[in-house]
Formats: sequence, C-alpha cells, structure tokens
Amino acid sequence: DVKVTQSSRYLVKRTGEKVFLECVQDMDHENMFWYRQDPGLGLRLIYFSYDVKMKEKGDIPEGYSVSREKKERFSLILESASTNQTSMYLCASSARGQVLSQYFGPGTRLTVT
Amino acid sequence: RKEVEQDPGPFNVPEGATVAFNCTYSNSASQSFFWYRQDCRKEPKLLMSVYSSGNEDGRFTAQLNRASQYISLLIRDSKLSDSATYLCVVVPSYNQGGKLIFGQGTELSVKP
Repeated sequence: DVKVTQSSRYLVKRTGEKVFLECVQDMDHENMFWYRQDPGLGLRLIYFSYDVKMKEKGDIPEGYSVSREKKERFSLILESASTNQTSMYLCASSARGQVLSQYFGPGTRLTVT
Repeated sequence: RKEVEQDPGPFNVPEGATVAFNCTYSNSASQSFFWYRQDCRKEPKLLMSVYSSGNEDGRFTAQLNRASQYISLLIRDSKLSDSATYLCVVVPSYNQGGKLIFGQGTELSVKP
C-alpha cells in the first residue's frame, strides 16, 4: 500500500521560531509537493520538487523554503514562523509521468501563537 | 480570476438524491481534469479522472465541456458516506513536475 507520512499531525510553535515539517514517501516517487489548505482558499502550492536537490516555487513560496536531499524525503522550513502561517500543511508525491496519481500525507495542523 | 473555481456549498441533500457539482477553469489550454474527494480532517484522494467523452464509475459521472471550460460531477442515489468535500483539479498547460491546480472544494452533506 502506498504511503506518505508527515512527521507530526499537530504542532504548536511560537512566532519567530524556526519550524521543520518533514514528509517521507515510500513509493520511490520523483515528484513531491507541499501545500497549505485554508478555509475558503482551498489547496495552495508552496513548493514542489521533481528530483533530488531540485526545487521549484509554487504559488505562495514567501516565508518558506524546502530541502530535498534524498528522494524519499521533502522538508518544508518556516525560517521565522508567523501567525499567518497557521494552517493545515499537506505533503504529496507522484511518479514522473503519472500526474493524476498524486498521493497525500495525513497533514500537519500547525498553529503559530 | 482564479484558475479553478467551484461553488463552495455546502450542498445539503437527503439520502437517495441526485446532486451535481460544476467547476470552471480559466486556461483553455489545460490538459487534464480530475475530481478528488476529501473527508473531514483527512487528506484528499483521487476520486476519478474526467475524460472528454465523459466517464462513469458506479453512481458517479464526470463530464468535461471544453467549449465552456467547465467540468461536472454527478452523484446519483446519494449515500451518507458520500458526505465529503469534492475538489476539482486541473493539470495546467504549462505543467512541470506533475503540478496540479486545485479548486477550493465543494462541500456535500447527505442527510438521512
């Protein structure tokens, strides 16, 4: 069974803290994605990566960075967390060429106080 | 204008009802289209693809109208378990790295 896991389901951080969200997939997928999901705004793409050490900005990259040192792992970094980054963060992966088969992790609900 | 737009609902329907959702997209060169389903506090999962000729999977029918740039999802004989948010998904023409564009979702609540 395909599996995308995220390091935490719930996270509470203070303003200004550095936050790491980890995502691991066991399907040998080339593509990995980070989204945030907010009421009324839907899923918005933050960053994605189509290969190890490759990264591309999505629609809302400001305030975030990413790291893809290994194929199975894609990390999202909030350098200095702010309250407007309180959100649900979803990681996804897909195999190259299989656009429709994007598999999601369970999500991390981050609260920044 | 958003690239993909959906009526957020909620759609409240009784069991057994037929319900339809529409989704419009702005880029006429968009390549492919899908419907995802997201249960409350869960991750999105692929429900079905949308083909030009229309396609059916049990009680679910998806259709694409390229001329008017919209896709639809029809659910017949609604079940309580159909309650979820339905996300319209578009593959952009400039697709790179498997990127998808998601609509904000349409919430469906099926009542007994």
